[in-house]
Amino acid sequence: AQRVTQPEKLLSVFKGAPVELKCNYSYSGSPELFWYVQYSRQRLQLLLRHISRESIKGFTADLNKGETSFHLKKPFAQEEDSAMYYCALRGDNFNKFYFGSGTKLNVKP
Amino acid sequence: DSGVTQTPKHLITATGQRVTLRCSPRSGDLSVYWYQQSLDQGLQFLIQYYNGEERAKGNILERFSAQQFPDLHSELNLSSLELGDSALYFCASSVDAGRAQYFGPGTRLTVL
Repeated sequence: AQRVTQPEKLLSVFKGAPVELKCNYSYSGSPELFWYVQYSRQRLQLLLRHISRESIKGFTADLNKGETSFHLKKPFAQEEDSAMYYCALRGDNFNKFYFGSGTKLNVKP
Repeated sequence: DSGVTQTPKHLITATGQRVTLRCSPRSGDLSVYWYQQSLDQGLQFLIQYYNGEERAKGNILERFSAQQFPDLHSELNLSSLELGDSALYFCASSVDAGRAQYFGPGTRLTVL
């Protein structure tokens, strides 16, 4: 069964420090993975998707099929990165998406 | 602004009641998804429609139902409400199935 796990509910780092938000998934097949972000008082929005292999706002995420992970990384965290981050997987029924429980990132000054 | 709208923003009702949540997708999007987010939980996929047809079902209770109308707006009907149904209900839309979704602001349902 498809499943997305974000082991950390809360991650606190200082400004300028590297940050890694963990995401592990369970899926048999070729997954499509996404990171969504929700800033305070804003709606959930797409941050990046693995097939695009892009860097958005300094964040990158690499799909590691061997470790079934899709961790989100940024070398130097900024205060404006403070938000809820959700990892999501598109399942074998292309219409279903599975979201993790989210990680709250708190970047301290 | 992603363009997805949801009404109402807040809804307070009593157990046993029935409510309808409404979602209007972004212009041009044919696919609508509904999610439930309870306290301290992630988004739980409920159901998806594409151009008026149901395409996928997730963990949606039998007391819940949804539909997508010819103008592509969607409604989520929740009946025989229980305290545990209190949650944020999000709607999202996409151009077609499997593409990145754009989320609405959510409807906060409180069942007393």
